[in-house]
Amino acid sequence: EMQLVESGGGLVQPGGSLRLSCAASGFTFSRYWMHWVRQAPGKGLVWVSHINNDGTSTTYADSVKGRFTISRDNAKDTLYLQVSSLRVEDTGLYYCARDMHFGGYMDVWGKGTTVTVSS
Amino acid sequence: IVMTQSPATLSVSPGERATLSCRASRSVSSNLAWYVQKPGQAPRLLIYGTSTRATGVPARFSGSGSGTEFTLTISSLQSEDFAVYYCQQYNNWPPLTFGGGTKVEIK
Repeated sequence: EMQLVESGGGLVQPGGSLRLSCAASGFTFSRYWMHWVRQAPGKGLVWVSHINNDGTSTTYADSVKGRFTISRDNAKDTLYLQVSSLRVEDTGLYYCARDMHFGGYMDVWGKGTTVTVSS
Repeated sequence: IVMTQSPATLSVSPGERATLSCRASRSVSSNLAWYVQKPGQAPRLLIYGTSTRATGVPARFSGSGSGTEFTLTISSLQSEDFAVYYCQQYNNWPPLTFGGGTKVEIK
């Protein structure tokens, strides 16, 4: 069974940092692009970042550029999101998701990890 | 590209047809996906390429449209279909952009 399991979320003060992880299983992780998508409480889905299958290309939403860094370790089948200089508006549930066909749509999603930014 | 979904809430009786709309601020060709999200769950891919159902998606779900106007139709609503539906364009990115969602509720 294909599975993505996020971890690393928590409560952090504004300006703080966290490293989110996403462990993949049930498929050949190194063959797929991956994304992070977030959802503020009671709100819709917002794309955050993407990384290609070998980690050589990354893209970011303008709202997180320069503060968040996506990376992957294909030997460990794990995706990461380093989130820094956190703002209250970064609060939400962070999902990792698999890109289905190198196209930008996502066919496997984790259950998410919650980031709460508050003083 | 801004994606706008309408209506925000759709009240439908079980067994009835539901029609959800998604509009793009400029053409996304046929590069549009639909997702469904139930409370407390992650989103699930329903349709990609405007009209191709993802694996395991029942035939009562169909997508249509092109350019800037898209529709998701649920032919006969089942109890498990009451949820929030999102459209997403992947024609021109970054950024990937989602619509604000349509909540389908029981009438």
